Amino acid sequence: DAGITQSPRHKVTETGTPVTLRCHQTENHRYMYWYRQDPGHGLRLIHYSYGVKDTDKGEVSDGYSVSRSKTEDFLLTLESATSSQTSVYFCATHPISSGNTIYFGEGSWLTVV
Amino acid sequence: KNEVEQSPQNLTAQEGEFITINCSYSVGISALHWLQQHPGGGIVSLFMLSSGKKKHGRLIATINIQEKHSSLHITASHPRDSAVYICAALPNTGNQFYFGTGTSLTVIP
Repeated sequence: DAGITQSPRHKVTETGTPVTLRCHQTENHRYMYWYRQDPGHGLRLIHYSYGVKDTDKGEVSDGYSVSRSKTEDFLLTLESATSSQTSVYFCATHPISSGNTIYFGEGSWLTVV
Repeated sequence: KNEVEQSPQNLTAQEGEFITINCSYSVGISALHWLQQHPGGGIVSLFMLSSGKKKHGRLIATINIQEKHSSLHITASHPRDSAVYICAALPNTGNQFYFGTGTSLTVIP
C-alpha cells in the first residue's frame, strides 16, 4: 500500500461547473498519473507528472488540466464539466525505478448532470 | 492500435476450475504488471514481471519476453476470485503504461 488517497471519492456536479480532484501520496514517488475508466475502454491516461511542476498530456487530455506544486499532491481539474466526463477517475503513482510496481488510489466517482 | 491485447474479454468458470488469462503486447517492455479490480473497487497490483514466472498463493504469472506474451493462471478458482484482471505494460522507453481492456472473470459456486 503506497498511501495514496483521492478526494472526493464521490461527487455529483452540474454541467459547466469546474471540478477539482485531489490525489495525495505519502511515498515520495516521482511519477503520478490520472486515468479515467469507462466501460469498453479500460484505463485511459489523462495527464501525468514526472516531477514537481513537470506534467504532460495523455491520450484524453482535452477538457482537463493538472497541477503539481508539491511532490505529494497531484490535482486534476475539469475546467467546465460536461456529461461526457462522467466517469471513474483513478490516480496512480510509480517510483522512478522500473523495478517497482504501480500503485492506485481508491478511485473517484464523478457524475456530471 | 492497441499495444496490449488481452483475452478472453469475459470468462465464466465453475469453482475449482483452472483459469488462464492471456496478454500479448507489441512494444519492448521493461516490466509487465497484472492488476486486479473487484466490482466497484480499487485496483491492486498482483504481479510485476520482467522475466520468468512468479507465484503467489493460487495465482501464477508467467512471461515470455521473446514471444511478447504473458499469462495469469488461477488454480482451484474460488468465487472471491471474481474480478476484472488487467494487464499493463511499461515500455522500455517512456514512463506511460499501456493497459489491456481487462478480462472480467466470474467464478460460480
